[in-house]
Amino acid sequence: GENVEQHPSTLSVQEGDSAVIKCTYSDSASNYFPWYKQELGKRPQLIIDIRSNVGEKKDQRIAVTLNKTAKHFSLHITETQPEDSAVYFCAASKNGAGGGADGLTFGKGTHLIIQP
Amino acid sequence: GAGVSQTPSNKVTEKGKYVELRCDPISGHTALYWYRQSLGQGPEFLIYFQGTGAADDSGLPNDRFFAVRPEGSVSTLKIQRTERGDSAVYLCASKTAGNTEAFFGQGTRLTVV
Repeated sequence: GENVEQHPSTLSVQEGDSAVIKCTYSDSASNYFPWYKQELGKRPQLIIDIRSNVGEKKDQRIAVTLNKTAKHFSLHITETQPEDSAVYFCAASKNGAGGGADGLTFGKGTHLIIQP
Repeated sequence: GAGVSQTPSNKVTEKGKYVELRCDPISGHTALYWYRQSLGQGPEFLIYFQGTGAADDSGLPNDRFFAVRPEGSVSTLKIQRTERGDSAVYLCASKTAGNTEAFFGQGTRLTVV
């Protein structure tokens, strides 16, 4: 089955600086890579996702890059703000545009701390 | 409703007891997933329903765990003879066919004492 590794487990950055979180996956058939943000005691919420036919996707201060050859993908947050503080999870699945049976395999999470 | 609803939000039970956790998905979402999240970990896949049938139950840890979705909407996760190691937050997610984003509920925090 799929295995997703995520690093670092904790990341502390100064407000206004950039944050980068990296993930690797093992199953070359995986084709959908979402990133979820989870605040303490709350549900995971999708912040951005990317499919395997795209190398990069950007949404305002958030961007995700995907390297299929190396089987890794990264989350980039620029101009970090205090409200960005949360746990971020990467995930992978074979769930393409047509939907799919496979559930998401999550990384262990990165606790992002924005220092004022 | 506006989102995925899970009840109860918290459940404390004694070791050996039976529990049921309920998930109300977003109306019209045909796909429904159950995940388990232990403290400090990412959600772990348990089971996936497409409509009424369990399309993939490979994540269920053992035969004490069972889930149903009899009418293709509400789902119930059932745990028999609970053990302390079952303590976790149980998350439900739903999505439409062809739409890749899965929407999560708030979860049920299960504590087995």
